[in-house]
Amino acid sequence: DAKTTQPPSMDCAEGRAANLPCNHSTISGNEYVYWYRQIHSQGPQYIIHGLKNNETNEMASLIITEDRKSSTLILPHATLRDTAVYYCIVRVYNQGGKLIFGQGTELSVKP
Amino acid sequence: GAVVSQHPSWVICKSGTSVKIECRSLDFQATTMFWYRQFPKQSLMLMATSNEGSKATYEQGVEKDKFLINHASLTLSTLTVTSAHPEDSSFYICSARGTSANNEQFFGPGTRLTVL
Repeated sequence: DAKTTQPPSMDCAEGRAANLPCNHSTISGNEYVYWYRQIHSQGPQYIIHGLKNNETNEMASLIITEDRKSSTLILPHATLRDTAVYYCIVRVYNQGGKLIFGQGTELSVKP
Repeated sequence: GAVVSQHPSWVICKSGTSVKIECRSLDFQATTMFWYRQFPKQSLMLMATSNEGSKATYEQGVEKDKFLINHASLTLSTLTVTSAHPEDSSFYICSARGTSANNEQFFGPGTRLTVL
């Protein structure tokens, strides 16, 4: 079973920051938090991952709380093309590192 | 990022026939490949994990005799849906990972299977 909880849907205005929350209260010390997104009828796209420090790349920022029980993915300036389902996943290392997807958050960016 | 391709992108077949889907890692060697299926409005469900040169490991509830997986090389894995039925109609997605268990997984674009 997936080990994360995300809101089923969110809206965001174009040009504004989109903040997508994720709860992973049972995360283990050596498990990473990964974020992927899936645009309709396409394969998932990797966004970012982190262990305990905040991370930033050209797509997004990942903020992980100090207790690591939750995290937030930030898209700083959302565009219409960011409309997608966003998946927060805890990487299960002792099972070969496979990715188990939960239900995700459907983000709608509106003009 | 690394590129994973799938072929075909969509396929329509008659009930009772078998369908093969190919997954290729184009610019890296994939020691491990994963197969997922996704029904409309649902999340991805992991079907099996395959390591190059060895038998695939299937998730609970997935019929290994129905979904045949072959990972004969470091760049190619195939999923064969045998004796397909309408309930097998789904979006099948593969992903590939490089030489370390810590490497990111890169996903293919998916294959839409419709069984009539």
